[in-house]
Amino acid sequence: SAVISQKPSRDICQRGTSLTIQCQVDSQVTMMFWYRQQPGQSLTLIATANQGSEATYESGFVIDKFPISRPNLTFSTLTVSNMSPEDSSIYLCSVEDGALVNEQFFGPGTRLTVL
Amino acid sequence: AQTVTQSQPEMSVQEAETVTLSCTYDTSESDYYLFWYKQPPSRQMILVIRQEAYKQQNATENRFSVNFQKAAKSFSLKISDSQLGDAAMYFCSLDTDKLIFGTGTRLQVFP
Repeated sequence: SAVISQKPSRDICQRGTSLTIQCQVDSQVTMMFWYRQQPGQSLTLIATANQGSEATYESGFVIDKFPISRPNLTFSTLTVSNMSPEDSSIYLCSVEDGALVNEQFFGPGTRLTVL
Repeated sequence: AQTVTQSQPEMSVQEAETVTLSCTYDTSESDYYLFWYKQPPSRQMILVIRQEAYKQQNATENRFSVNFQKAAKSFSLKISDSQLGDAAMYFCSLDTDKLIFGTGTRLQVFP
């Protein structure tokens, strides 16, 4: 299974600033996903990031607020822009392992607190 | 619309005993996958078990097994011989074209 790392593991940010979260995979993968997990809540898909194309955003999430880059098959970034306290969440990236259809492996998450 | 419902916010079990976590779902698709994920306090989401909808046989992984009732759209997780390390949030999820998660069940394991 793929091994996924995320940076930073946690951060505390001021309102109005932006934070970029990095997701690194130890193997080449086609599909990468970004999720948000608000405090005490379940996971919600933000967007799907495929290399070489624009990310596909789910309802309620927009590119201006959550720009995503996918420069190659092992790396992606998610930026949380113009942050407000409501953006305080855990952000997780995941990948779909090509050998295991429909099976996703998750990174350790980034805990973001916005003051 | 796809939905996943976990009606048990919290469950507890004694070490070495068996516990069952409930999950129901709704989808109009005939081809889909179901998963149970475990999220310990470390936050790392770990896949526990998967079930393909086209398979009638219930999936098992060591101490973990599912009771998949396709007609009833039910997908419960049974943990046998519970261990302290099983304590975590457990999320049921449905994958048609994207993963949808239930609200989770917090499992406590008492020695």
